[in-house]
Amino acid sequence: QLQLQESGPGQVKPSETLSLTCSVSGDSISSASYYWGWIRQPPGKGLEWIGSIQYGGNTYYKPSLKSRVTISVDTSMNQFSLKVTSVTAADTAMYYCTRGVSSPGAAGYWGQGTLVTVSS
Amino acid sequence: EIVLTQSPGTLSLSPGERATLSCRTSQSINSYYFAWFQQKPGQAPRLLIYGATNRDIGIPDRFSGSGSGTDFTLTISRLEPEDFAVYYCQHYGTSPYSFGQGTKLEIK
Repeated sequence: QLQLQESGPGQVKPSETLSLTCSVSGDSISSASYYWGWIRQPPGKGLEWIGSIQYGGNTYYKPSLKSRVTISVDTSMNQFSLKVTSVTAADTAMYYCTRGVSSPGAAGYWGQGTLVTVSS
Repeated sequence: EIVLTQSPGTLSLSPGERATLSCRTSQSINSYYFAWFQQKPGQAPRLLIYGATNRDIGIPDRFSGSGSGTDFTLTISRLEPEDFAVYYCQHYGTSPYSFGQGTKLEIK
């Protein structure tokens, strides 16, 4: 059974880099059939697609975030990662990792999420 | 960017009643790339419907999706206590992929 587990610091200082990892169990991240992605949700607000990656290196980012976001895969650890640079309070959110098929924006499976607060 | 507008913002119903949730897109989309999610407090969203009409694995048949073009509907035929939650629609056909703002389904 597929399980996704986010991990990373719960607090990041403004202007610094947010780094999160999603550990995948129950499936291989090397499968070309899937898109491994990130979606976030500010407290009390709606959902925002950040980006996704396919094994082989194809990456897809929300245009408004593209200059600050990098998603990468580590096949040896069966995990993928998110980096967001130059964070501000607006980046405070619950961050979910996801797996989807058929589209870079699809999200059939979700991790439980991890809350990241941007604060000094 | 395609904007998804959900209505109503809040829907107050009783268990056993029928719920009808709407999602309208700012331009016509391919229904193959349209989904509905359910989110309960403190939990991650859960995929209910993909391709506008297909229930995900394990989703009860009281949930059904319909629609095409710019107008989509999620119907819950008879509400169970566990159905009271926030529901989001999403299109995932062309970037940037976006979600509606959500409909809160609350117990009347």
